[in-house]
Amino acid sequence: ETGVTQSPTHLIKTRGQQVTLRCSSQSGHNTVSWYQQALGQGPQFIFQYYREEENGRGNFPPRFSGLQFPNYSSELNVNALELDDSALYLCASSLDRDWPQHFGDGTRLSIL
Amino acid sequence: AQSVTQLDSQVPVFEEAPVELRCNYSSSVSVYLFWYVQYPNQGLQLLLKYLSGSTLVKGINGFEAEFNKSQTSFHLRKPSVHISDTAEYFCALGPYSGGGADGLTFGKGTHLIIQP
Repeated sequence: ETGVTQSPTHLIKTRGQQVTLRCSSQSGHNTVSWYQQALGQGPQFIFQYYREEENGRGNFPPRFSGLQFPNYSSELNVNALELDDSALYLCASSLDRDWPQHFGDGTRLSIL
Repeated sequence: AQSVTQLDSQVPVFEEAPVELRCNYSSSVSVYLFWYVQYPNQGLQLLLKYLSGSTLVKGINGFEAEFNKSQTSFHLRKPSVHISDTAEYFCALGPYSGGGADGLTFGKGTHLIIQP
């Protein structure tokens, strides 16, 4: 059974740039959720995708957007990067929007 | 609105001693409860979950937790810790209904430090 994989592992960007983070869900899982974990904090829910549609969204601005593909992999896109976007971005997958969610190792994004 | 409070930001414990990490939650709806562990530079690993049934839940690596609805708590325990248990521990809740559309709500984490 293949777990959740995320790429890249680390990324450095500058303010105002755009970034795309990628996630492959665990084998058989059709639901992907994205979380932002700032340093020293717990993860915060960004949004969830189920069968290629956004299924729910946390308190994040529209410059955070996503996609889910037919193979259930997903992308997180962030436009107009700000310094506060520096964080670990975690992807989690599950089956049919059910619990529990299984997490990948994350992408560490640094904004200079 | 939902919230999770982890009462201790840091817990130092000697090796082979017992430990309890405290978690209290608040929610206007029924919830599922989880404990995740995060080792340095890694993602979150599920330790255990409470979905329904017995209020005492056993997880991986010898951890267990007890769901107490009247006290809205879900404390994590281990009878004897090992150096390898040094990590950040997160308590989280997910709403009973809604299919995860609201995501998990996490506490701020407790850093468990095992001293030799």
